[in-house]
Amino acid sequence: GAVVSQHPSRVICKSGTSVKIECRSLDFQATTMFWYRQFPKQSLMLMATSNEGSKATYEQGVEKDKFLINHASLTLSTLTVTSAHPEDSSFYICSARDDGSGANVLTFGAGSRLTVL
Amino acid sequence: AQSVAQPEDQVNVAEGNPLTVKCTYSVSGNPYLFWYVQYPNRGLQFLLKYITGDNLVKGSYGFEAEFNKSQTSFHLKKPSALVSDSALYFCAAVRGSSNTGKLIFGQGTTLQVKP
Repeated sequence: GAVVSQHPSRVICKSGTSVKIECRSLDFQATTMFWYRQFPKQSLMLMATSNEGSKATYEQGVEKDKFLINHASLTLSTLTVTSAHPEDSSFYICSARDDGSGANVLTFGAGSRLTVL
Repeated sequence: AQSVAQPEDQVNVAEGNPLTVKCTYSVSGNPYLFWYVQYPNRGLQFLLKYITGDNLVKGSYGFEAEFNKSQTSFHLKKPSALVSDSALYFCAAVRGSSNTGKLIFGQGTTLQVKP
């Protein structure tokens, strides 16, 4: 079945540094990927829709200059948390929509735990 | 506004007993409905979906869900719970005519199955 790989699974960084998280669709092409943020014991908050070949679409309240998204190819989207601060610590999850399947079938990555010291 | 509600933060059930995790939705048009499971520090795993057809949908690991249009519900069920079913469960929906893939998630329900 469809697999989405997310890397790194855990990252610890110092305040003020930038961190990049990768989301790859391993066996399918994904024009559209989604980035979510999840706080402990809470639901997923959609941050942005990543579109291959065009700018990402950010949800209301999400700073696009803070959370840079690049969808470089049909199998790779990256989320860069710039000038990270402790309040950016969270669990980030990506999902990808298989271009060859139904429009609303998403496969999720395993998530990336970011801790900013 | 479109929304998905999971009224229970936690459901406790004894191993071997049937379980139900509730979900109601408010989505315009014909909804597509999904259940996902999340284990600690992991992403979401797909369990099952309703697109059209039979109201009773069978999915992974013995789970099933029933689409009830009149009650706008999509409750997740399993006849006999296992301790390994203990996890966080999310119900999600999207408008059927939508091509965005943007799912609306419920708040999540923690299922605790005790031996």
